[in-house]
Amino acid sequence: DAGVTQSPTHLIKTRGQQVTLRCSPKSGHDTVSWYQQALGQGPQFIFQYYEEEERQRGNFPDRFSGHQFPNYSSELNVNALLLGDSALYLCASSLVDRGNIQYFGAGTRLSVL
Amino acid sequence: QQQVKQSPQSLIVQKGGISIINCAYENTAFDYFPWYQQFPGKGPALLIAIRPDVSEKKEGRFTISFNKSAKQFSLHIMDSQPGDSATYFCAASPGGTSYGKLTFGQGTILTVHP
Repeated sequence: DAGVTQSPTHLIKTRGQQVTLRCSPKSGHDTVSWYQQALGQGPQFIFQYYEEEERQRGNFPDRFSGHQFPNYSSELNVNALLLGDSALYLCASSLVDRGNIQYFGAGTRLSVL
Repeated sequence: QQQVKQSPQSLIVQKGGISIINCAYENTAFDYFPWYQQFPGKGPALLIAIRPDVSEKKEGRFTISFNKSAKQFSLHIMDSQPGDSATYFCAASPGGTSYGKLTFGQGTILTVHP
């Protein structure tokens, strides 16, 4: 049973560029949440997707957007990258009726130069 | 605005000792309190969780103590082992329409010496 998988593992971008990160949820899960984890900090909630719609959102600017596909996989897009966007981006999946029990992937390490 | 405060930032314990990590929260809408364990290069893994209608929950060597009136909860790791060396995060989630929106503490780096 595959857990949550994220790609790519590492990514280097230049300030002002755009990036897309991908996530496949744990088998059977229908809800995907994205978190940003800065170095030495706890993860911060970006947004959550269910039934291909953004269900709730944290305190992140509109430069952060997402998408969920019919197979429940998800993408996180970040436009106009800033140096401060450098972080580990974590995807977590869950069942909609057990949304607090979230399983995390290993993350994508984004470096913005 | 940091809604979950975690302490200490780092903790060194001898093998066989008890590790204690504390968290305090502000938002009274929180009704689910998990603890996550994170190893380098890995995502956080759910360790144990509690709801506010229970004052203590134990799973193996891991125990959560919860004090609703003080808005505090803590993780106790009994008989700590070198394999427990990791970063631990407390978190909290509200109910209602914000169900599943986890707010994390800043983390505690635990080192268990053999």
